[in-house]
This record gives sequence, structure tokens and C-alpha cells, in this order.
Amino acid sequence: GNSVTQMEGPVTLSEEAFLTINCTYTATGYPSLFWYVQYPGEGLQLLLKATKADDKGSNKGFEATYRKETTSFHLEKGSVQVSDSAVYFCALRHSGTASKLTFGTGTRLQVTL
Amino acid sequence: DGGITQSPKYLFRKEGQNVTLSCEQNLNHDAMYWYRQDPGQGLRLIYYSQIVNDFQKGDIAEGYSVSREKKESFPLTVTSAQKNPTAFYLCASSPREGLTDTQYFGPGTRLTVL
Repeated sequence: GNSVTQMEGPVTLSEEAFLTINCTYTATGYPSLFWYVQYPGEGLQLLLKATKADDKGSNKGFEATYRKETTSFHLEKGSVQVSDSAVYFCALRHSGTASKLTFGTGTRLQVTL
Repeated sequence: DGGITQSPKYLFRKEGQNVTLSCEQNLNHDAMYWYRQDPGQGLRLIYYSQIVNDFQKGDIAEGYSVSREKKESFPLTVTSAQKNPTAFYLCASSPREGLTDTQYFGPGTRLTVL
């Protein structure tokens, strides 16, 4: 079946450090891929998405490229800020179904001064 | 402002009682979803509805029930049959499939069963 695997956290970085959070997936067909962010005590917010191979999603300095050959969608940011501290979820949407999402387990990012 | 509201933010219930969580959206979205989030785990789909008066079970529907009588509302009832109901519950909505595939989430309800 479809599944998403994320690197385990927490990831602890100093402010202005480079961020990579790995995400790989298993899916049939051609899924869409997403990164969501969850700040403490809140719901999820869409951070970025990519709907086909080689697409790059970007938002607020974050980027991720849909790599079909490696079934990956790694999240990157060149310089993190304390305000980026949150839990990040990678997710895929099953192709051909009613927008059902499969989520990874989430990766907690802690950014310190 | 358009968005999804969930109430209440925190909910406490005694074991054996049914409880209903509210979810309302004014985004004019056709599809709505309920997810459960447990510590250290991703979100798991409980139920979803693509259109009024229709809904389908997700991956962990046992012990839960829903209704979709209005487009704007998708309440979730956690019944006494749910063995471990303490969790963070998230509601989401999206436009009908084919227009876009982004789901928008509400702020969540944290349910604690004592």
C-alpha cells in the first residue's frame, strides 16, 4: 500500500543553519506530495506541494523537489529561524482517489539562538 | 474570514460517555475529513465525506460515527466503543477533487477521557 517515511526527530539546529528533513514514499500511480507544518497546539498548515515528477514546491524559504527516481521529497531551507520550530509532516495524496492523504510520522524541528 | 472552525479546543469526558466534536467550514468545500493524531505518530484518517449526505470510513473508523447533513458541517461522535479515545482530533476540508488537491485544516480539538 501507500506509505510515507520521514526521518525521526527531533532535529536541533542553531539559527541560520541549513535544514534538510528527509522524506521517502511508496505509492502506486503518480501521487501528489505535500509538506505540512504544525506549530504547538495548532492544526496543520500547508507549507508546499508538488504534483508531478521534477516539480519543485517552495514557500517561505522552504523547498522540496519531487524525485520519482528516488521516490523522495526532501524538505530544505538554507537558513532556519527560531520561528521555524515546529513539527513537519510529509504526506502524499493517492492518485485517483478523493483527496485522501497519507502522512508520515512527523519530524520535530527545534531551532535555538 | 474564510476558514475551518473546531470547537471546543479542549474537551474532557468520563469513560463510557459519547462525545461529539464540532467542525464547521465556510470555504464552500465539498469534501471534509476527520483525522486523529497521537503523540509521535502521523495523522490517521477516521472518516471522510465527498458530498452532503454521503461519507466513507477511513483507516480507523471503529468506535466513531459521523454525519453530513449540511455542506458546512461534519460533526464527529466518539462513542464508548472507541477503546482509546484520548487524542488530538483534526478536521480538514478540500474542494471537490479535480479542482485542487490541497486539504485545509482546522485548529483541532484535544479530547481527554478520564
